[in-house]
Amino acid sequence: NAGVTQTPKFQVLKTGQSMTLQCAQDMNHNSMYWYRQDPGMGLRLIYYSASEGTTDKGEVPNGYNVSRLNKREFSLRLESAAPSQTSVYFCASSEGSGQETQYFGPGTRLLVL
Amino acid sequence: QKEVEQDPGPLSVPEGAIVSLNCTYSNSAFQYFMWYRQYSRKGPELLMYTYSSGNKEDGRFTAQVDKSSKYISLFIRDSQPSDSATYLCAMGRGGSEKLVFGKGMKLTVNP
Repeated sequence: NAGVTQTPKFQVLKTGQSMTLQCAQDMNHNSMYWYRQDPGMGLRLIYYSASEGTTDKGEVPNGYNVSRLNKREFSLRLESAAPSQTSVYFCASSEGSGQETQYFGPGTRLLVL
Repeated sequence: QKEVEQDPGPLSVPEGAIVSLNCTYSNSAFQYFMWYRQYSRKGPELLMYTYSSGNKEDGRFTAQVDKSSKYISLFIRDSQPSDSATYLCAMGRGGSEKLVFGKGMKLTVNP
């Protein structure tokens, strides 16, 4: 089992460009999450999907969109990147029963110039 | 008041020391508590999981939850250089998949 995989590992964008971060899990989990991690700010939830076909905003959703493509895949899209979106992005998944742990991917480091 | 407070450190200790990491929280609805370890340039990985109050031990690691004081701790005995990482506490409410994370404490264990 690969667990949670993310692509790309690293990306440089210019302000105004768009890109999609990909995430896939092979643990048959129902719930998936996107976080960003910034120095001094910890992990902040951007969007999550409690089950296939549903998505909900987290703490910092502005500037992002998500798609739960199927049970395995959850993508995060930046339509018009801004320097404030420079961060490390982590995808995570969990079974979805409400009291279980989240499993994280290796992260995508994004630099917006 | 933030839901979860964690001293960001950094904390530097000699090899073999006992390390104590702590988080406080304000929401009494939290029922399950976790500690994640994150090595540099890696994703967080689950270290300890505790439901409700009490202690849980796993090798050199002990997690404690005191719900009356809204305080959780992670103890590391006989710390090793390989324990050098950032440790994040996380908490969840019953019936909700979402977790609330502390900001993380960076620990360095010096040989």
